[in-house]
Amino acid sequence: EPEVTQTPSHQVTQMGQEVILRCVPISNHLYFYWYRQILGQKVEFLVSFYNNEISEKSEIFDDQFSVERPDGSNFTLKIRSTKLEDSAMYFCASSPWDEQFFGPGTRLTVL
Amino acid sequence: AQKITQTQPGMFVQEKEAVTLDCTYDTSDPSYGLFWYKQPSSGEMIFLIYQGSYDQQNATEGRYSLNFQKARKSANLVISASQLGDSAMYFCAMRGGEIQGAQKLVFGQGTRLTINP
Repeated sequence: EPEVTQTPSHQVTQMGQEVILRCVPISNHLYFYWYRQILGQKVEFLVSFYNNEISEKSEIFDDQFSVERPDGSNFTLKIRSTKLEDSAMYFCASSPWDEQFFGPGTRLTVL
Repeated sequence: AQKITQTQPGMFVQEKEAVTLDCTYDTSDPSYGLFWYKQPSSGEMIFLIYQGSYDQQNATEGRYSLNFQKARKSANLVISASQLGDSAMYFCAMRGGEIQGAQKLVFGQGTRLTINP
């Protein structure tokens, strides 16, 4: 059964460094999303992406964040200069229409 | 703005019993969708069940069913014959608006379900 994959599973970085989180959505899906979940809290929407552009972004998704679909299969989230409060689990999701299927997540730890 | 409320932070149930996890929602959108996800201790988000606001019948998927009461704005998840492997965090979520696709999910705070042997 096709599934969303994410790499790496865990990333440790120093504050101020750039990180790129990678996702491979399910191949025939059209809509892509990033969410994050700070430890012990609920899942929060970051950004949605369709037809090679951002559809919607939350107030969390400031200028430090960017998304790309560089080659038609990968979907990346870049954080330019990480802060301590960026430590969280980051989930990629993809959707053919309504149902959103989540990847296993990348746990980002900023030291 | 859409809002999801899950009022049960934790629930403890005996194995093989049925369990109902509560979810209420608030939205002004005439068309919306409601989702339930399971998050085991390993951290992944597993899609369980979906209910569209115009669906006439309650959604069912195996042991999962969604008790959708539109007038009360509730979308409770019912798990029949609970198993030890059902122990996890459960999130209710909503997507809204007339235009389908590329729409964010708004999540509730979650309910931690523990199944006792």
